[in-house]
Amino acid sequence: DVVMTQTPVSLSVSLGGQVSISCRSSQSLVHNNGNTYLSWYLQKPGQSPQLLIYKVSNRFSGISDRFSGSGSGTDFTLKISRVEPDDLGVYYCGQGTQYPYTFGAGTKLELK
Amino acid sequence: QVQLQQSGAELAKPGSSVKISCKASGYTFTSYYISWIKQTTGQGLEYIGYINTGSGGTNYNEKFKGKATLTVDKSSSTAFMQLSSLTPDDSAVYYCARGGMVKHWFAYWGQGTLVTVSS
Repeated sequence: DVVMTQTPVSLSVSLGGQVSISCRSSQSLVHNNGNTYLSWYLQKPGQSPQLLIYKVSNRFSGISDRFSGSGSGTDFTLKISRVEPDDLGVYYCGQGTQYPYTFGAGTKLELK
Repeated sequence: QVQLQQSGAELAKPGSSVKISCKASGYTFTSYYISWIKQTTGQGLEYIGYINTGSGGTNYNEKFKGKATLTVDKSSSTAFMQLSSLTPDDSAVYYCARGGMVKHWFAYWGQGTLVTVSS
């Protein structure tokens, strides 16, 4: 299975600040159709995960442009700018390229 | 709007089975795969498998073969997951989820069903 390694495990941020979360995969996430199926999710306390970004850098419907995804191959980054209180929770990366699909262990974003 | 409504929490005894439902609304049910995902504090998010809601075809994560059985009822736009031979390790929150136009990411999630296995 593809192992997804997220760093850091937790992150403290001031409101209005900017943070980056790294996600590395144990194998390339380039599918044989040329697409890279790396997605990012946010799980707020007591809620289901919600999709933020799909195919590395595409924001899902209704997601603020404060969220941006980048990367290629095995190395990916989620950046959050101008952090707001509603951004707090656990962020997960996930890969949908190789079966079975797998997720990172999560990065907890907290207020400083 | 797209909604996935899951059945309520289950308390089950070791060795028994449970069947969780996921009722879809707000879209054409048979046009999108439904996936199932397990969440525990220790193991995080684990992908169980998916079902083609049109054909009923399934694909399981090897780890969950023999544990999970995925089915659908097209007439009620509902997907089901049966978990068998339950052990305490099966205690978790289980989510159903629907992809975007493809199954490689999860755009919509159910609210989760807590399964607790205890004698």
